[in-house]
Amino acid sequence: GAVVSQHPSWVICKSGTSVKIECRSLDFQATTMFWYRQFPKQSLMLMATSNEGSKATYEQGVEKDKFLINHASLTLSTLTVTSAHPEDSSFYICSASWTGGNQPQHFGDGTRLSIL
Amino acid sequence: GENVEQHPSTLSVQEGDSAVIKCTYSDSASNYFPWYKQELGKGPQLIIDIRSNVGEKKDQRIAVTLNKTAKHFSLHITETQPEDSAVYFCAASAYSGGGADGLTFGKGTHLIIQP
Repeated sequence: GAVVSQHPSWVICKSGTSVKIECRSLDFQATTMFWYRQFPKQSLMLMATSNEGSKATYEQGVEKDKFLINHASLTLSTLTVTSAHPEDSSFYICSASWTGGNQPQHFGDGTRLSIL
Repeated sequence: GENVEQHPSTLSVQEGDSAVIKCTYSDSASNYFPWYKQELGKGPQLIIDIRSNVGEKKDQRIAVTLNKTAKHFSLHITETQPEDSAVYFCAASAYSGGGADGLTFGKGTHLIIQP
């Protein structure tokens, strides 16, 4: 149980393109989903917290107009990187937490984004 | 905000020996401490977690200890096997009645099991 699926796993696109990443909880309902960013050989940095039906809460320094987050249902959250540039290249990972709070976060397998 | 320090950054042990990874945190409001294992190209996998009302938790070869006074928690892996080789992350967060908070991660420990 507690499977989180992320799609796509890998994307390469040209500078200026917008890219959408999907995060789905397959076997549980997730009130809260989180988006993290990880640079090579570094730790995960929280970008934003997304509660179903509400606007996402962004961490300091993360541009909300650059990284659009939608959490329209209890099983799906999306992250759209708008007008991507090479510096946005990174490993983006989502996690989901069961309804009810005080539950562990389960992570997807990440999306490797490369902007040329 | 929370700051989590993790040591060592690299740990090499002989197969069958024990491995210990240590973390400290700064925010006394943190009350949830998970450990994740990350293999190359994959997302982190939860291996064990502990809450602040417990001092120790064990699951087969893996155990975690928590010292709230010292703001210190550790991961212990006994009888290490080659498949234990991976990057391990500690993390901390503060759960409130309203729901989950985002995790603050340590910088990770690259565990290498020597055959």
